[in-house]
Amino acid sequence: QQQVKQSPQSLIVQKGGIPIINCAYENTAFDYFPWYQQFPGKGPALLIAIRPDVSEKKEGRFTISFNKSAKQFSLHIMDSQPGDSATYFCAARKGTGANNLFFGTGTRLTVIP
Amino acid sequence: GAGVSQSPSNKVTEKGKDVELRCDPISGHTALYWYRQSLGQGLEFLIYFQGNSAPDKSGLPSDRFSAERTGGSVSTLTIQRTQQEDSAVYLCASSSSGLLGVVEQYFGPGTRLTVT
Repeated sequence: QQQVKQSPQSLIVQKGGIPIINCAYENTAFDYFPWYQQFPGKGPALLIAIRPDVSEKKEGRFTISFNKSAKQFSLHIMDSQPGDSATYFCAARKGTGANNLFFGTGTRLTVIP
Repeated sequence: GAGVSQSPSNKVTEKGKDVELRCDPISGHTALYWYRQSLGQGLEFLIYFQGNSAPDKSGLPSDRFSAERTGGSVSTLTIQRTQQEDSAVYLCASSSSGLLGVVEQYFGPGTRLTVT
């Protein structure tokens, strides 16, 4: 059972466009929602994260929008660049310890020059 | 500073052979995780080590999979009698103990395992 559902599976945008990646969850015990960026041949790296007590967080060109009542959150990339082409994973965490981080299935983003 | 390293970066093996994958965590990190990443899938948790505590093996898919962590540092994931469905990228991550707040996991580059 997928704890975090992510869409779309792939996304192609022109340079300067604003790709949006969506995630949804059911478990209200989740208390931290990170996004990871993964380039080919590399491991995932933390990009930006949000807690459920805020509705939006912005870091540079990356913004997370969080809708607690709908149990949905999304990543927006402003003024996207070819260098942003990567696979993006959303995740949700509950508490600390072992298997507490649940990942979405990933979105492969391609930004066309 | 040095991040999480994994070796080998790629491994091709024949069905039925055993393989060992190695992870060197960030120095000082007490927690170590193994994940499996299959094509088109998210990261699947396999096993977790925290300090000297007994590992959480709840994610291991079968008894062909095992892992150990020697001296609280380097970890080895062993897959015995490999099957084609074991083909995936195996990722290792480490984190500090973190008594308060969120503890972030730092991932290695992964080992791509192909079973032929």
